[in-house]
Amino acid sequence: DTGVSQNPRHKITKRGQNVTFRCDPISEHNRLYWYRQTLGQGPEFLTYFQNEAQLEKSRLLSDRFSAERPKGSFSTLEIQRTEQGDSAMYLCASSLSGGGGGANVLTFGAGSRLTVL
Amino acid sequence: DAKTTQPTSMDCAEGRAANLPCNHSTISGNEYVYWYRQIHSQGPQYIIHGLKNNETNEMASLIITEDRKSSTLILPHATLRDTAVYYCIVRPPLGDYKLSFGAGTTVTVRA
Repeated sequence: DTGVSQNPRHKITKRGQNVTFRCDPISEHNRLYWYRQTLGQGPEFLTYFQNEAQLEKSRLLSDRFSAERPKGSFSTLEIQRTEQGDSAMYLCASSLSGGGGGANVLTFGAGSRLTVL
Repeated sequence: DAKTTQPTSMDCAEGRAANLPCNHSTISGNEYVYWYRQIHSQGPQYIIHGLKNNETNEMASLIITEDRKSSTLILPHATLRDTAVYYCIVRPPLGDYKLSFGAGTTVTVRA
């Protein structure tokens, strides 16, 4: 298992363009999460999926942000009409479901850094 | 979620034990304490978690006080590669799954 994979690692775009990030989780993990991290801050939760169902999306920053996880495998995070304030690291994580505290043991990818000019 | 309080930063000498404190005075009976760390330019990495008993794994030890209002993460023999931001998070085992990362403690291990 190669862990959580995120692509692209770096994206530079002009304001107003759309961008899409992809996350490939650990194959046996049924939960997938997206976080955003700006400089000097801890990661901020955006949304999460259990299998293909998006169970929490209220923290998506605006209606310009959307995420999908077709067939419960990889996931994409799309930002439409990017703004300079969207510049950040976008982190994906995956985990197993289950009790005993293990559901909160997340494996993170290395992140996709977005720069909006 | 129970709120946690950590020092902003701390230094540690290479080869010595690093003791990272975390206060969580409003923790509920079913909430676990989790520790993650984030090395520069990488995603966060899970370290350890516990409910009430002390825990140890290959990375660290977690000491939780009897009243569970605070805990200490111990890195037994800090190396330069342990320089990172360390996050203490308190979460219930079930329910919604928004791990909330605060600002964490920036740990610098010096040679």
